Amino acid sequence: TQLLEQSPQFLSIQEGENLTVYCNSSSVFSSLQWYRQEPGEGPVLLVTVVTGGEVKKLKRLTFQFGDARKDSSLHITAAQPGDTGLYLCAGGGGTSYGKLTFGQGTILTVHP
Amino acid sequence: EAQVTQNPRYLITVTGKKLTVTCSQNMNHEYMSWYRQDPGLGLRQIYYSMNVEVTDKGDVPEGYKVSRKEKRNFPLILESPSPNQTSLYFCASSLSNYGTGEAFFGQGTRLTVV
Repeated sequence: TQLLEQSPQFLSIQEGENLTVYCNSSSVFSSLQWYRQEPGEGPVLLVTVVTGGEVKKLKRLTFQFGDARKDSSLHITAAQPGDTGLYLCAGGGGTSYGKLTFGQGTILTVHP
Repeated sequence: EAQVTQNPRYLITVTGKKLTVTCSQNMNHEYMSWYRQDPGLGLRQIYYSMNVEVTDKGDVPEGYKVSRKEKRNFPLILESPSPNQTSLYFCASSLSNYGTGEAFFGQGTRLTVV
């Protein structure tokens, strides 16, 4: 079974600070997705990365896929209270045929 | 509007009383799956289906059943619920029938078994 270890599990910061969330595995994935989930809702896709070393930017969010396609990171610049939520990474492909493997999630709280 | 619809949103039941959570998607997706979400454990896949009449176990299938008689519907059945099945459940669908594409999630069903 492929596992994705996500860290940190909790992050509480002040508005304007930068942060990085990590997603690591000993297994190779063909794609890595990042989702954001708000209370009372299902997760919503932020980005998919598929190429080793790939970097994607979504406004203040930067996503990176490791060269070996075993790890990924999400970096938020100048966090805002609206960024508060649960962030989930999910790996697809590899030996996990037919499924997405999710990390445990990072609960981010940005204080005004 | 493209969506995945789950019902009910909230359910409180007693141990042993059979229940069904419905899931329907209007995007003509081949792939559908069920997850449970528990604090500190993330989303764990219960069952998935790559096409009509094709279902397979995920990581935590014990105590659950599913069926896929039509492409749009994928109900989750708990024949004899137990308290350890108290959780937040999500249905999801994906265009990719390998399940590796973007997953579209329903709004969740919060189940409490007493």
